[in-house]
Amino acid sequence: GAGVSQTPSNKVTEKGKYVELRCDPISGHTALYWYRQSLGQGPEFLIYFQGTGAADDSGLPNDRFFAVRPEGSVSTLKIQRTERGDSAVYLCASSFTSGSYNEQFFGPGTRLTVL
Amino acid sequence: GQSLEQPSEVTAVEGAIVQINCTYQTSGFYGLSWYQQHDGGAPTFLSYNGLDGLEETGRFSSFLSRSDSYGYLLLQELQMKDSASYFCALKGGANNLFFGTGTRLTVIP
Repeated sequence: GAGVSQTPSNKVTEKGKYVELRCDPISGHTALYWYRQSLGQGPEFLIYFQGTGAADDSGLPNDRFFAVRPEGSVSTLKIQRTERGDSAVYLCASSFTSGSYNEQFFGPGTRLTVL
Repeated sequence: GQSLEQPSEVTAVEGAIVQINCTYQTSGFYGLSWYQQHDGGAPTFLSYNGLDGLEETGRFSSFLSRSDSYGYLLLQELQMKDSASYFCALKGGANNLFFGTGTRLTVIP
């Protein structure tokens, strides 16, 4: 079956612009996570969705970042007024939620470059 | 808050065994995971420890001691394709993961 997909794979934008990053999780996975990863660092948690609702958005760095998952499947991460410091690889992951631990399956990421 | 510490780089010989250590600090422990990431690739799940002891999955094993806030990943019969970054990650209460900065493993012939 298909894994987690993310589009676009690369996004170059100018400082101050608005961007949207899309994530298609594995079919049937109710949990969806966004992370971002800077060069040489581990992924940094941003937000977690359980179904359509954001169960934990404590990792969003500020109010320029927002994410939605209106139908409980595809999610969009939205960044307003982009800054050069937002440049990173944005990773999406999905998982089941039954059981004590559920492996997260990561997508290939979107490399965002803010000029 | 949470923090994890792991060596930044490790080099090992093909066919050998390597151990990557991870120490952590957290206010609430829910589990420790290990992920592998090749350059330019997505992190992929290797192993999880929710309780003390050893978990074995093929050539990879992971160990946890909650009393010592310590875990390790053991890779046996190293292959060249094992050259990658390895991350330990704390499981959060909401199932999110808090990752360390990673250990870059280089396997040499």
